[in-house]
Amino acid sequence: GENVEQHPSTLSVQEGDSAVIKCTYSDSASNYFPWYKQELGKRPQLIIDIRSNVGEKKDQRIAVTLNKTAKHFSLHITETQPEDSAVYFCAASTRGGSNYKLTFGKGTLLTVNP
Amino acid sequence: GAVVSQHPSRVICKSGTSVKIECRSLDFQATTMFWYRQFPKQSLMLMATSNEGSKATYEQGVEKDKFLINHASLTLSTLTVTSAHPEDSSFYICSASSPLLAVGQTQYFGPGTRLLVL
Repeated sequence: GENVEQHPSTLSVQEGDSAVIKCTYSDSASNYFPWYKQELGKRPQLIIDIRSNVGEKKDQRIAVTLNKTAKHFSLHITETQPEDSAVYFCAASTRGGSNYKLTFGKGTLLTVNP
Repeated sequence: GAVVSQHPSRVICKSGTSVKIECRSLDFQATTMFWYRQFPKQSLMLMATSNEGSKATYEQGVEKDKFLINHASLTLSTLTVTSAHPEDSSFYICSASSPLLAVGQTQYFGPGTRLLVL
């Protein structure tokens, strides 16, 4: 099955700096890669996603890049703000039977210091 | 759009009792719903996938007789933890997807249910 590795597990940055989180996946058939932000005790919220036929996608301060050949994708947050502090999960979507299912990375705890 | 609700938000029960958790898609018809379990400071672990009107597909290592899943309609799935024990205490989160949404593979998550078994 699919295996998703995520690094780093914790990341501390100063407000205004950029943050980068990296993930690798093992199944070349994976074709959709969402990123979720989860605040303590809350639901995971989709912040950006990318399909396998696209190399980069940007939404304001957030961008995701995908390298299909190397099987890795990254989340970039620019001009970080304290409210960006949360756990971020990457995921890879693979078809399992009649459904697509997500395999999640272990998460990155991002702390943005004022 | 794509709002998912979950009820209850937290439940405390005695060991040996059963607990039912409901997951509803409020503004779309969810052909597929997923149930996850999350331990503190850990990632989301998929327990099972359910399609409306079909039996759920359980991940390896998940006891289907212990975690009963019913997906009776396009907007409701339920997870029943039977004969709960303290080791079943966890954060249970559902998600839903639909091929009619912009990205059919996107999963939208409910707010989660925190279960504490005494």
